[in-house]
Amino acid sequence: AQSVTQLDSHVSVSEGTPVLLRCNYSSSYSPSLFWYVQHPNKGLQLLLKYTSAATLVKGINGFEAEFKKSETSFHLTKPSAHMSDAAEYFCVVSDYPFSSNTGKLIFGQGTTLQVKP
Amino acid sequence: SQTIHQWPATLVQPVGSPLSLECTVEGTSNPNLYWYRQAAGRGLQLLFYSVGIGQISSEVPQNLSASRPQDRQFILSSKKLLLSDSGFYLCASRGALSTPLHEQYFGPGTRLTVT
Repeated sequence: AQSVTQLDSHVSVSEGTPVLLRCNYSSSYSPSLFWYVQHPNKGLQLLLKYTSAATLVKGINGFEAEFKKSETSFHLTKPSAHMSDAAEYFCVVSDYPFSSNTGKLIFGQGTTLQVKP
Repeated sequence: SQTIHQWPATLVQPVGSPLSLECTVEGTSNPNLYWYRQAAGRGLQLLFYSVGIGQISSEVPQNLSASRPQDRQFILSSKKLLLSDSGFYLCASRGALSTPLHEQYFGPGTRLTVT
């Protein structure tokens, strides 16, 4: 079965400093991995996705993530945090291809990113 | 591009009352549709998914049910709410047929508080 673990429930950074949100996954096959962002009382927005192409994935708003199979990790990074980056971030793995018609997503517990001025 | 509508945005209901949350999708046809719940301080849990009209699969045993009366309409219901039903409910849609099955788009959510 697939699972995903976000190693930090809360991360606090200063504006202009780098962001690192950590995610480890468990999957018995080559997974599809995603990062979603959720601003307060809003729906989820897809930041980036890895689907077995390039291991370094670039997303929106300057975020990127690197798929490391040997470490079963998919950490999210950004060189310089902005106040508007404060939000909840979810690392997600897809159950594809075991249930290829359903496209179910398995979510991590989430990491709250706080950005201090 | 597709748009997902959910209503109401917020809802406060007493224990034992019925529930109906609605989700509609624009900009795609024959989507897979999903209901997720996000409890306070927790990640998202998949509750139901549907691959077509009248086809509902439940992921976890619970007090809720789902229905899909039309291609782009997905309804979450309960006959009698429990306190534990409180949470943030998100509807999601798989993208167009050309989009990988696992890429989903999310609605704005409904905040349900059961008192």
